Amino acid sequence: QKEVEQNSGPLSVPEGAIASLNCTYSDRGSQSFFWYRQYSGKSPELIMFIYSNGDKEDGRFTAQLNKASQYVSLLIRDSQPSDSATYLCAVSLSGGYNKLIFGAGTRLAVHP
Amino acid sequence: DAGVIQSPRHEVTEMGQEVTLRCKPISGHDYLFWYRQTMMRGLELLIYFNNNVPIDDSGMPEDRFSAKMPNASFSTLKIQPSEPRDSAVYFCASSSFSGGRALVQFFGPGTRLTVL
Repeated sequence: QKEVEQNSGPLSVPEGAIASLNCTYSDRGSQSFFWYRQYSGKSPELIMFIYSNGDKEDGRFTAQLNKASQYVSLLIRDSQPSDSATYLCAVSLSGGYNKLIFGAGTRLAVHP
Repeated sequence: DAGVIQSPRHEVTEMGQEVTLRCKPISGHDYLFWYRQTMMRGLELLIYFNNNVPIDDSGMPEDRFSAKMPNASFSTLKIQPSEPRDSAVYFCASSSFSGGRALVQFFGPGTRLTVL
């Protein structure tokens, strides 16, 4: 059974701080990695995707991938109360399947 | 451009009734996914289609659940008969696949199902 693990939180950070969200996965052949944000009562929406080892930056968000360690993270700089949500890590299944395995999500709370 | 469309947004029904959830994927996407989300089990993939053909239905919990995709712009998820434990939010998502890589899945707004 392929797995994606995240700390459920809540992760509480003060406004303006850096929030660091982490995810580990078991499928060594995974090629695609995604971070989704889900507000309470809403559907998941894409924040970042990353395919290659290293960092990928988009505004206040940075995704980091380390395939050797099977680890992907999301950094949110200058955290705002509006960033308070659940963040879902999703990893593609290897073998050419267009199927994602989702983690249970980390709840982030940014307090003023 | 319209995103993934789902209907109804809310459904309240009684145990034993048939429930049909509907989804229209993003135009041009050739993959469609049905997910269920609960507090206890998180986001679970139920079934997915490629070019209207079911590829993997291993997540469908029981024979009471069935899904169809008669054409590229429409899919249904049916529960018959419904039970209280089916209460959840059901999401439809669509995507493409390119170069051996899974691409972004875009989610619809979901259907919140309550079975009394």
